[in-house]
Amino acid sequence: DIVMTQTPLSSPVTLGQPASISCRSSQSLVHSDGNTYLSWLQQRPGQPPRLLIYKISNRFSGVPDRFSGSGAGTDFTLKISRVEAEDVGVYYCMQATQLWTFGQGTKVEIK
Amino acid sequence: EVQLVQSGAEVKKPGESLKISCKGSGYSFTSYWIGWVRQMPGKGLEWMGIIYPGDSDTRYSPSFQGQVTISADKSISTAYLQWSSLKASDTAMYYCARDGGPPGEGFDYWGQGTLVTVSS
Repeated sequence: DIVMTQTPLSSPVTLGQPASISCRSSQSLVHSDGNTYLSWLQQRPGQPPRLLIYKISNRFSGVPDRFSGSGAGTDFTLKISRVEAEDVGVYYCMQATQLWTFGQGTKVEIK
Repeated sequence: EVQLVQSGAEVKKPGESLKISCKGSGYSFTSYWIGWVRQMPGKGLEWMGIIYPGDSDTRYSPSFQGQVTISADKSISTAYLQWSSLKASDTAMYYCARDGGPPGEGFDYWGQGTLVTVSS
């Protein structure tokens, strides 16, 4: 099984400041078809999750451009360039290269 | 508009069976994988399994294999998650989600969730 490890687990941030979340996989997420199936989701309190980023760095429809994804192989990062109040929630990375697995989640809150 | 609409909240006793549903609309139901995700109270997301309604190809997380059954009825664009004998530890919110394809491109649309409470 591929294990996804996120750091930090909690990230207090100041409004308008950047935030960064790391996600590491226990093995390479490069699929035999050449794609890397790593996505990022946001879950606001009391709501279902929402897709932000797919295949490392592609923003899903309607996602603000302050969200960006990067990385390769086993190490990936989600960045929020300037945190807004509506960004409060839990962020998950998810791999779909070998079955599907979520990271433990990172809680983003305002300082 | 793509929508996944899940069945309503359930309250069950340990040992009872249960089948919850997820109805897709606004897209070709048979062309996208539908996954199921568990979220226990105050905890993170856990991938349970996934089905391709076009041919009923199904994959399970090792953690959930043998514990639940995933199925689909493409004639009514509906996927199902069922238990034969519920335990108190099955108390959780359950979400269905569509994989954007082909598969692996992220769970792009989600149901609203079905809260299952198992208590004697």
